Amino acid sequence: DTEVTQTPKHLVMGMTNKKSLKCEQHMGHRAMYWYKQKAKKPPELMFVYSYEKLSINESVPSRFSPECPNSSLLNLHLHALQPEDSALYLCASSQEGLSSGNTIYFGEGSWLTVV
Amino acid sequence: DAKTTQPPSMDCAEGRAANLPCNHSTISGNEYVYWYRQIHSQGPQYIIHGLKNNETNEMASLIITEDRKSSTLILPHATLRDTAVYYCIVRPVTTDSWGKLQFGAGTQVVVTP
Repeated sequence: DTEVTQTPKHLVMGMTNKKSLKCEQHMGHRAMYWYKQKAKKPPELMFVYSYEKLSINESVPSRFSPECPNSSLLNLHLHALQPEDSALYLCASSQEGLSSGNTIYFGEGSWLTVV
Repeated sequence: DAKTTQPPSMDCAEGRAANLPCNHSTISGNEYVYWYRQIHSQGPQYIIHGLKNNETNEMASLIITEDRKSSTLILPHATLRDTAVYYCIVRPVTTDSWGKLQFGAGTQVVVTP
């Protein structure tokens, strides 16, 4: 089973709203990621969690706040977003380990529209 | 991270093999070559990866040149469902590289009947 589940699939929010995107995996992976993908562009890394600790933040604005409550769950809290933050937000996960080139598996994404 | 160069688009006839090239001339010894694809409005799907040797799985084959400066993804019998953007990515396997898949522009593959 190589499934990463993201909810909601679609979200429309106003610039003053607070909302959250959720991601879940049950593959025993200890690394989880958030990527952002604008229309007609490739995905770009936002955050990496390793063993439930934030290990990489790619200079993402503080209006995006990640949270990893446990090894299976990853949230992205959204507050005071701008219309230019509208994008597909992708969650991914992978095993830890260096020896064989671990594989990163993606969810189907959450489409976010900020109005 | 090494950068990759892919053609922006390719057409392929249904039932024929699709050969997708990727140039990664600055690849270093600890970098793997990964291929993902993204069907419209879906998340990227892992296809295959390799270090030095050619690899094959149920989806595709990966041919890496001996000098590792280029590779080819082969879809043996393309179907209409293979229409997607295909990304070739080189990725170092180090502790500070977790999740750092640096996607390039990819190749838009269109499979036609």
